[in-house]
Amino acid sequence: DAGVIQSPRHEVTEMGQEVTLRCKPISGHDYLFWYRQTMMRGLELLIYFNNNVPIDDSGMPEDRFSAKMPNASFSTLKIQPSEPRDSAVYFCASSPRGSGEQYFGPGTRLTVT
Amino acid sequence: GENVEQHPSTLSVQEGDSAVIKCTYSDSASNYFPWYKQELGKGPQLIIDIRSNVGEKKDQRIAVTLNKTAKHFSLHITETQPEDSAVYFCAPRPGGGKLIFGQGTELSVKP
Repeated sequence: DAGVIQSPRHEVTEMGQEVTLRCKPISGHDYLFWYRQTMMRGLELLIYFNNNVPIDDSGMPEDRFSAKMPNASFSTLKIQPSEPRDSAVYFCASSPRGSGEQYFGPGTRLTVT
Repeated sequence: GENVEQHPSTLSVQEGDSAVIKCTYSDSASNYFPWYKQELGKGPQLIIDIRSNVGEKKDQRIAVTLNKTAKHFSLHITETQPEDSAVYFCAPRPGGGKLIFGQGTELSVKP
């Protein structure tokens, strides 16, 4: 298996622009997680899905952030409009049902200027 | 909600020495206790985990011990090697599907 796939790996954009991050989980995994990692705040859970349904979005910082999972093999995290404080590494992870083990993708490094 | 603390935040050891990182948590409902390793430029990778009905688990040079009464669990690395240098995270699961990550411990193994 190729593991969790994220794209793009790097994104540089200007403040106010829309940013879309993409994730393909490991086939057969029921859970999908979006995290954000910064030096100041560490690794934060933004939202997670179970069987394509959002279960907990309490970590989404504000309405500028939205996430979707239209099917079992694809998810997006969108930021609109982006701000410099959104600069971070965004990780997607997936997990098989019941195990608790999360498998992380390589991350997307987002820079908002 | 779950409050997770890791100690120490940085740890420097000589190659061949042992390293121990401790994680304390607050939610007594936590039932799954993993440790992740993150190398520079990569995503965290699960290296060992333990469930609440077990006190200790070992995998070659790494081990995890759990004290549910005191609400802490620890990562033990023996015979450390330079490739063990990384940031290590504990991430107890308070219930449901999510993990709560600690702030991380930066381990440096000097040759």
